[in-house]
Amino acid sequence: QKEVEQDPGPLSVPEGAIVSLNCTYSNSAFQYFMWYRQYSRKGPELLMYTYSSGNKEDGRFTAQVDKSSKYISLFIRDSQPSDSATYLCAMKADNYGQNFVFGPGTRLSVLP
Amino acid sequence: DGGITQSPKYLFRKEGQNVTLSCEQNLNHDAMYWYRQDPGQGLRLIYYSQIVNDFQKGDIAEGYSVSREKKESFPLTVTSAQKNPTAFYLCASSRRKGLNWQFFGPGTRLTVL
Repeated sequence: QKEVEQDPGPLSVPEGAIVSLNCTYSNSAFQYFMWYRQYSRKGPELLMYTYSSGNKEDGRFTAQVDKSSKYISLFIRDSQPSDSATYLCAMKADNYGQNFVFGPGTRLSVLP
Repeated sequence: DGGITQSPKYLFRKEGQNVTLSCEQNLNHDAMYWYRQDPGQGLRLIYYSQIVNDFQKGDIAEGYSVSREKKESFPLTVTSAQKNPTAFYLCASSRRKGLNWQFFGPGTRLTVL
């Protein structure tokens, strides 16, 4: 079993839809959770950074963490064609460590 | 503007040659990283460095080498010992502690001919 699992997609949705992207993980020590967006042939850019369980909202994006289920989600409201990208989840166990673990990414297409 | 630069954007190498990928950051970050990205496999850590003149192997260090002589720079050499070097290489940096998510560079696409 991989440490972090993510459905690779591709996921295609119509413009304006609510998108739900998810990751599951096996290491209960993970406490810090990140979502990155990566456009084709570009470097990933940070979208959300959360600590422990709960929700965090930033504009059209909401990140949810459920540590009891070892499950994190990223919701995109009112999706736009410019949201078409690969979304990577990442996580790590402690604030000082450098051991970031990434999911393989989900490719999202938002159709106009 | 603060950020990370990688060069070149595209690199072609003949089998048996060593090549060096450049990574520079002006974010004043202590930690720097090199990842390899292959389709469907996510990011795999090659090497990381937390301070100048110190670095540690990641999950797939074989066939790669790095140096960290300056805080701003973390070049990666892909040696002829790396059996399958064609990939997209990403450099990242972060603070060592506190809110230390990673900032990524634009990447270098290496193709072995």
